[in-house]
Amino acid sequence: AQSVSQHNHHVILSEAASLELGCNYSYGGTVNLFWYVQYPGQHLQLLLKYFSGDPLVKGIKGFEAEFIKSKFSFNLRKPSVQWSDTAEYFCAVNINTGRRALTFGSGTRLQVQP
Amino acid sequence: KAGVTQTPRYLIKTRGQQVTLSCSPISGHRSVSWYQQTPGQGLQFLFEYFSETQRNKGNFPGRFSGRQFSNSRSEMNVSTLELGDSALYLCASSLSAGKETQYFGPGTRLLVL
Repeated sequence: AQSVSQHNHHVILSEAASLELGCNYSYGGTVNLFWYVQYPGQHLQLLLKYFSGDPLVKGIKGFEAEFIKSKFSFNLRKPSVQWSDTAEYFCAVNINTGRRALTFGSGTRLQVQP
Repeated sequence: KAGVTQTPRYLIKTRGQQVTLSCSPISGHRSVSWYQQTPGQGLQFLFEYFSETQRNKGNFPGRFSGRQFSNSRSEMNVSTLELGDSALYLCASSLSAGKETQYFGPGTRLLVL
């Protein structure tokens, strides 16, 4: 079975700092990759997704992620964080079989200090 | 377009009882998936329904069951509740069974006493 690892459990940054959150998955076949965000008191929202093509994908709110197949990684980046980016971030993987089941990482809690 | 709606939003039950949670997908979406979110185990896949058929099931005991109706609305049921079933239960909908993004609802927070 596939698994997803998010190595940073809690990240504290100051506004304008750059962000990189790690995500690694274990599955040798074709995968679809996602980053979801959960703002305080809100439901999970999709930040960005990768199905195929250009491994550098851009999402909402200035976020981007790079799929590196050889490293089984899909790291999330943002050049300059804002206080409003304070949230929990989840990486998720779906095996490309037409099934909907997402395997989620344990999440990274990002705290941005003004 | 209205998002995914889940009812009720909060629920308190006692051990041994059963509970039914409801999910209405985004209009036009035919696929519904359920997830359990707990502080200890994180987000875990429960099951997926498409066109009233369960297409996939996660690693949960048989006390957890679900169904989907012809209008794509879905319910999940947990029988003989245990304390460990306390969690946020999330429903997600997508257009079909292809490479479609899943859109999540606000969840039902279940507390088992």
